[in-house]
Amino acid sequence: DGGITQSPKYLFRKEGQNVTLSCEQNLNHDAMYWYRQDPGQGLRLIYYSQIVNDFQKGDIAEGYSVSREKKESFPLTVTSAQKNPTAFYLCASSMVTLTPSQHFGDGTRLSIL
Amino acid sequence: GIQVEQSPPDLILQEGANSTLRCNFSDSVNNLQWFHQNPWGQLINLFYIPSGTKQNGRLSATTVATERYSLLYISSSQTTDSGVYFCAVLKGGSEKLVFGKGTKLTVNP
Repeated sequence: DGGITQSPKYLFRKEGQNVTLSCEQNLNHDAMYWYRQDPGQGLRLIYYSQIVNDFQKGDIAEGYSVSREKKESFPLTVTSAQKNPTAFYLCASSMVTLTPSQHFGDGTRLSIL
Repeated sequence: GIQVEQSPPDLILQEGANSTLRCNFSDSVNNLQWFHQNPWGQLINLFYIPSGTKQNGRLSATTVATERYSLLYISSSQTTDSGVYFCAVLKGGSEKLVFGKGTKLTVNP
């Protein structure tokens, strides 16, 4: 089935540790996105990429890093510089066309130990 | 930047009731989507509707782009409709989808 796969579903981070969240899509979409959701809030954009080997900061990029070495993969690293990383992280993808509707993975819940 | 406001913030219904959710946005947009986030966090794409009206089963949506609002109608609500409904817009020339804060819907049996 075509879709977006995020892993793991749950992730725990120790203080001072970097962790990487995986996002893979087999929809042949050009663009991929990472969002953060805090309890009771909407989604905020962390990073996005419209083409391989290129990505742009979103509204809350500080403390995060990404790479886009392959079209189907867009991993997000939560670094130790992100002081409040506990949140629900959602990955999305879309075609860069006149109808760029975004489709989402099932998310990763990150917590601090 | 563009502002997206959703109303009401919370809505409680009995099973079988109808409801209307509203999304207002502050500028012209090229893209408007409605999403349903279920209690497990999954975000489901309901409609891509920058203008006009679309229907999918018990759900329908209307966007009046010239007046900068969109409505999501849910008819004969079911308990499985519970969750948070988000409206998100994308302004022309921007790659960033801007989300509203959502409407939390609870449908009681």
